[in-house]
Amino acid sequence: TQLLEQSPQFLSIQEGENLTVYCNSSSVFSSLQWYRQEPGEGPVLLVTVVTGGEVKKLKRLTFQFGDARKDSSLHITAAQPGDTGLYLCAGRYSNAGGTSYGKLTFGQGTILTVHP
Amino acid sequence: NAGVTQTPKFQVLKTGQSMTLQCAQDMNHNSMYWYRQDPGMGLRLIYYSASEGTTDKGEVPNGYNVSRLNKREFSLRLESAAPSQTSVYFCASSDGFGGGYGYTFGSGTRLTVV
Repeated sequence: TQLLEQSPQFLSIQEGENLTVYCNSSSVFSSLQWYRQEPGEGPVLLVTVVTGGEVKKLKRLTFQFGDARKDSSLHITAAQPGDTGLYLCAGRYSNAGGTSYGKLTFGQGTILTVHP
Repeated sequence: NAGVTQTPKFQVLKTGQSMTLQCAQDMNHNSMYWYRQDPGMGLRLIYYSASEGTTDKGEVPNGYNVSRLNKREFSLRLESAAPSQTSVYFCASSDGFGGGYGYTFGSGTRLTVV
């Protein structure tokens, strides 16, 4: 079973602060996604990254895929209370031949609380 | 624009009872999935259906069965519920299997087994 580790597990910050969430694995991803989940709802897709070194921006959120495609980060600039939620990374793994396994494996999630 | 619809939203079962969780998507997606979410464990795949007519086991299939009724519907059945199956269950769908396809999730079924 491949493991996808997220850190930190909990993050409590004040409005206006910056933060970074990390997602790491010892295996290579063929693609990686970030989701955000609010209480009582299902996860919602934020972004997909597929190329090593890729950087994508979504307003105040910046997503980076590691050069070796084994890690990713989510950086939020000037956090707002509306950013509060559970952030999940999810990856599709490649075998040695580079064929995607197809299924998404999810990390444990990072619970972010932004205080006004 | 309903997306993925799950029923019921809440359910309490007694140990040993059976029930079926229903899931339907209206996006003409090929692939469908059932996950369970427990505190500190993230989302764990129970079963999936890469395309209509196929189903396969995921990471935690024991105690569950699934049926891909047609392209729209994918149900999850608990034959004899156990307290360890208390969880939040999510159904998801995607346009394809593999590659960069993202998942669309339903809003979940909160199941308690007493």
